[in-house]
Amino acid sequence: EDQVTQSPEALRLQEGESSSLNCSYTVSGLRGLFWYRQDPGKGPEFLFTLYSAGEEKEKERLKATLTKKESFLHITAPKPEDSATYLCAVQVSSKLTFGKGITLSVRP
Amino acid sequence: GAGVSQSPSNKVTEKGKDVELRCDPISGHTALYWYRQRLGQGLEFLIYFQGNSAPDKSGLPSDRFSAERTGESVSTLTIQRTQQEDSAVYLCASTLGYNSPLHFGNGTRLTVT
Repeated sequence: EDQVTQSPEALRLQEGESSSLNCSYTVSGLRGLFWYRQDPGKGPEFLFTLYSAGEEKEKERLKATLTKKESFLHITAPKPEDSATYLCAVQVSSKLTFGKGITLSVRP
Repeated sequence: GAGVSQSPSNKVTEKGKDVELRCDPISGHTALYWYRQRLGQGLEFLIYFQGNSAPDKSGLPSDRFSAERTGESVSTLTIQRTQQEDSAVYLCASTLGYNSPLHFGNGTRLTVT
């Protein structure tokens, strides 16, 4: 069974304090790994797709990386507006299997 | 352009009643997904449509749950004889196809009293 584990469950940072969010996965035949951001009361918003180990993608203060067993979402010098729940998901067949998410809180 | 639209945004119903949740996907998106998100939990896959067909409905929790899609567009998720454990946010997403990112609506928050 495909498994996706995200850690930590919650993370509190001071504004400007860089950190990383982890997503580890156990799947057969990974077709893609996706990162989403979810704000309260909203649907998940797409951030990145990674397809193969060694791949990296960046957007503003966020950088996603992928190995054969895990992905990291690095947040550099976060701002309060980066506060949200970050979800990762893996695609093996037609559906995405999601982790439980990491709730990030950035204090000004 | 317009994103994925879901209605109603909130629904409160009594235990035992039937409910219908609607999803209008992004125009031209051939694939459509339904997920359920319980409080503090991850997204739980329910069903996937390719066009009007549902090749994967393995996530539907029981035969009280059904879904259909017509005109390769609008989809309806129906829950019959609702139970309190059905309370959750029901999210719909659409995509152009395989390996393309899913675009989500803001969900329908269902509360069964």
